[in-house]
Amino acid sequence: EPEVTQTPSHQVTQMGQEVILRCVPISNHLYFYWYRQILGQKVEFLVSFYNNEISEKSEIFDDQFSVERPDGSNFTLKIRSTKLEDSAMYFCASSDPHPGDNGIYEQYFGPGTRLTVT
Amino acid sequence: GIQVEQSPPDLILQEGANSTLRCNFSDSVNNLQWFHQNPWGQLINLFYIPSGTKQNGRLSATTVATERYSLLYISSSQTTDSGVYFCAVESNAGGTSYGKLTFGQGTILTVHP
Repeated sequence: EPEVTQTPSHQVTQMGQEVILRCVPISNHLYFYWYRQILGQKVEFLVSFYNNEISEKSEIFDDQFSVERPDGSNFTLKIRSTKLEDSAMYFCASSDPHPGDNGIYEQYFGPGTRLTVT
Repeated sequence: GIQVEQSPPDLILQEGANSTLRCNFSDSVNNLQWFHQNPWGQLINLFYIPSGTKQNGRLSATTVATERYSLLYISSSQTTDSGVYFCAVESNAGGTSYGKLTFGQGTILTVHP
């Protein structure tokens, strides 16, 4: 069964460093997303991406964050200068270009990258 | 934005018991999904259920969109059902939506042998 994959599974970085989190969405999906979950809290939306551009972003997704689809398979999240409060689990998700009932798209999540900023 | 409330926040069961988890949301939705977060942190898709009723083995879900709630039923619970259950919705209020899911706070389920 196709699945979303993410690398690395765990990343430790020092405050102020740049990190790139990588995702390989399900191959025929066209809609891509990043979410994050601070330890013990709920999952929060960061950004959605379609047709090589950002469709929607949250208040969390400030100028320190960027996303890119550098080739036909990868989808990346870059944090330019990490802060302690960026420590979280980051989830990538993708959804099918063919809508299900009511014209909506089920999202499938990757296993996450746990980012620890020290 | 849309508000998503899940209840109860915590639930402790003996193996074999049944349970019902509830998700209330404050606006009309395009999409509603239920997830199980396992002890390793992975989000496992359980149901994609913007309306109606679905069943998958011991789990079933019902969404009454007009009344803005969804229920997740777990029957004959097993220790492997332990974890956090999240409801997530995509609002269709306010124009075009691009798939943004808003999650509830989750229900922490613990099943004892």
